[in-house]
This record gives sequence, C-alpha cells and structure tokens, in this order.
Amino acid sequence: TQLLEQSPQFLSIQEGENLTVYCNSSSVFSSLQWYRQEPGEGPVLLVTVVTGGEVKKLKRLTFQFGDARKDSSLHITAAQTGDTGLYLCAGVGESGGYQKVTFGIGTKLQVIP
Amino acid sequence: KAGVTQTPRYLIKTRGQQVTLSCSPISGHRSVSWYQQTPGQGLQFLFEYFSETQRNKGNFPGRFSGRQFSNSRSEMNVSTLELGDSALYLCASSLWTGGIGYTFGSGTRLTVV
Repeated sequence: TQLLEQSPQFLSIQEGENLTVYCNSSSVFSSLQWYRQEPGEGPVLLVTVVTGGEVKKLKRLTFQFGDARKDSSLHITAAQTGDTGLYLCAGVGESGGYQKVTFGIGTKLQVIP
Repeated sequence: KAGVTQTPRYLIKTRGQQVTLSCSPISGHRSVSWYQQTPGQGLQFLFEYFSETQRNKGNFPGRFSGRQFSNSRSEMNVSTLELGDSALYLCASSLWTGGIGYTFGSGTRLTVV
C-alpha cells in the first residue's frame, strides 16, 4: 500500500511569512502533483514534478521532488491571504499493474492578514 | 472550455436509501475517476472509468458502484446508505488513465441522516 504523509496538517501564519509543507513516503513515485483546494470546491492542480531532484517555481511557490522520488516539498515565500486553503500532494505510481494516484491527507493553511 | 460538472452540489439522504451522483467531464476527456473526501481520511479513491470500462477500483464495499456512458459522462451509485457515507464526493476527469493532469469538479456534498 502506498501512503503519503503530509506535515504539518495545520498551519496558521501571518501574511508575509514564509512556510514549507512536506510530503513523505516510503514508496517511489513516477511523478508527484500538488493541488490546492478551497472550501466548497474541488482541488486545483498547481504543478506536476517528474524527475528526481526537480525544482519548479510558480511565482512565490517553489516545489521540489526528492532525489529518490519518495518525497516532495512546497515552499511559499511571503504568504498572502489568497494562499489560504488545503494543500494536497498526490503521488502517481504503479500498483497491481495499474497507475494509481495516492493523495496525502493535506495541509490546511490559514494566512492571517 | 467548460469544466467538470457535478450534480447535484448538495444532497441529504436518510440511512438505507440509495443515491446517484453525476459527473460530466471536460469535453474530450475519456477518463473519469471518483474520490470520497472526509476530514479524517482525506481523498480516498473509489474507481476509475475509461471508455465506458472500469479500469481500477479502490477498497470500498460493493454498495458503491459506477458506470460511464458513451459520451464519457459518469454516474456513481451508493445503495443502502450509512451515516459514514457522509462526505464530499469528487470526480476528476483527464485525457488518459493514470491520474495525470486531473481536473476536478466542485463535488457533491452528501449528508446521510
């Protein structure tokens, strides 16, 4: 069974602060995705990382895929209130002959003005 | 282009009843996956359909079933509802199977009383 652990599960910070969210597993994934979900809506895909060690930047968000493709991190610089939401990581890997997506439980981020 | 449409958005049912949820994917997307989201368990995979065939199934009881039509629209059915089935049910569409590039709908919030 592939499991993805996210930490922290809850984070409340002041606007302007930096933060890092972690996503860890003992399984190797072919790719890893990050989503953001706002209340009452479905998750929205932010980024997909594919290569071990890959770093992708999306404005103030920096995503990194671990060298061994088992873990990932999301770093937000100078957080804004609009960053508030549930951040989900999702690993894509093979299980039982099928490509399977495993989601972490999420990190609930609250950015206080 | 239109996004993924899920209907209804909210539903209240009584224990023992059955329910059918609908998902219309993005035009051209042939894969539809269904997830159950609860605060304690996160997103749990229910099943995936591609070209009217169930390609993969999660660890849910047989009360949960689904189907996909020739126009790629999908329905999921839950029979003999239990209180624990209360959750946000999300569907995600993508061009191909395997969870690459999911676009999620806004979900159906099911409450079982």
